[in-house]
Formats: sequence, C-alpha cells, structure tokens
Amino acid sequence: NAGVTQTPKFQVLKTGQSMTLQCAQDMNHEYMSWYRQDPGMGLRLIHYSVGAGITDQGEVPNGYNVSRSTTEDFPLRLLSAAPSQTSVYFCASSYSGTSGALSYNEQFFGPGTRLTVL
Amino acid sequence: AQSVTQLDSHVSVSEGTPVLLRCNYSSSYSPSLFWYVQHPNKGLQLLLKYTSAATLVKGINGFEAEFKKSETSFHLTKPSAHMSDAAEYFCVVRALRAGGTSYGKLTFGQGTILTVHP
Repeated sequence: NAGVTQTPKFQVLKTGQSMTLQCAQDMNHEYMSWYRQDPGMGLRLIHYSVGAGITDQGEVPNGYNVSRSTTEDFPLRLLSAAPSQTSVYFCASSYSGTSGALSYNEQFFGPGTRLTVL
Repeated sequence: AQSVTQLDSHVSVSEGTPVLLRCNYSSSYSPSLFWYVQHPNKGLQLLLKYTSAATLVKGINGFEAEFKKSETSFHLTKPSAHMSDAAEYFCVVRALRAGGTSYGKLTFGQGTILTVHP
C-alpha cells in the first residue's frame, strides 16, 4: 500500500493563479480531509469528506474548494491564490467507524505540499 | 465544541532524562485523544491513541500518556529521552457525537517542540 500520497511536494504561485493539490489513498478509507499547517497554530481543518459525493467545510474553508467523485481521490482547489494561503497542506484519511461503540480511528497523513504564494 | 491546549510551546531536555509534554482538552462529547509526532520536513506519525479500555496508553518508541478525565488532561511522557525524539509533538482531540458516530474532525493543539541535548 502506498498509503496517502500528495502531489506536488512543492509549489510556487503568483497571486491570483489557480491550482489543484492532489491527494489519493489506497486504503479504501471513507473519510478524507485537508489541513493547513502554519507556525504556532497546529493543523487546521479546511474541508473534509465522509464518502464519495459528500463534502463539508472545516474550520478555515474560505478560498478553497473540494470535490469527492471517487473514494480514492480528494483534490483541493485554490481558485485565486493569495499570499495568506502560503502554508504546508496535509491530506489525511481514515476509516469512518460505526455508530454505537466508540470509534478511535487513526488518521493517516500524507507527506504534505509546501505552497508559497508570491 | 472542542479545543486542545498544549501548555508548553518548547521543551528542552538532556538525553537520558524524562520527557513530559502537557496537554489539556475540552470537548462537548466523549473524546478520543491522540498524540502525533512530526519530524522536520516530514508528515505526521501517530504515537499513541486513547481508547476507553485503559487510561494509561502505551505508544511507539517508549512513549506513553495518561488520560485523566477529572483533570481533562492527556500528558505525554517518556522515561528517558533519546536524540531521535527531537521533533514537534501535537496533542489532538477527536470528539464523537452523541450516538458514537465519528465524523473524524480532528482539533490540533498548537504543538510542542522538543529539543534533546547531548
């Protein structure tokens, strides 16, 4: 298993440009999410998905779009990049778990994409 | 609502001495708790996770954490630090909604950078 993969590893954009960060997982996980990491702020949730065709906003969704057409892929789109979006982006996935008994499901993280917006 | 507070942004220890990284949480629902480690320019790796079976949780690389509900704490400890432990550590809470269905939203603490001196 490759686990969670992300491309590209590094990207430099100019203000106003658009791009898509790719994320894929081969573990058949229902749940996928995108985080951004900024110094001193930990990781903050941007968007998440509980399954194909279902997405929802996280803590910091503005400026980002997502879609989930397959279980495996969860791309993150920046429509018009801004310097405030300079960050390291992590994709994660996990098994969703079931209702009833508590579920403590580890999220598996990709290696990250380091994005700079000039 | 849920939140995590890591009480120290930096901790410095000598090799061979004990490590204590402190974490307090708040959650409206019964939480699951995790510690992740991130080495420089790397992704996040799970150290350990709390399950309801035991309040003292053992993880990889000699780390352990104790869940104390009365204190809403989940501190990470290791008896003897090694140079390879130098990294950033994140305490993470994942609240489970009433009924036990996990929606997977992780809330991260701000991170604690552990420095280990020879």
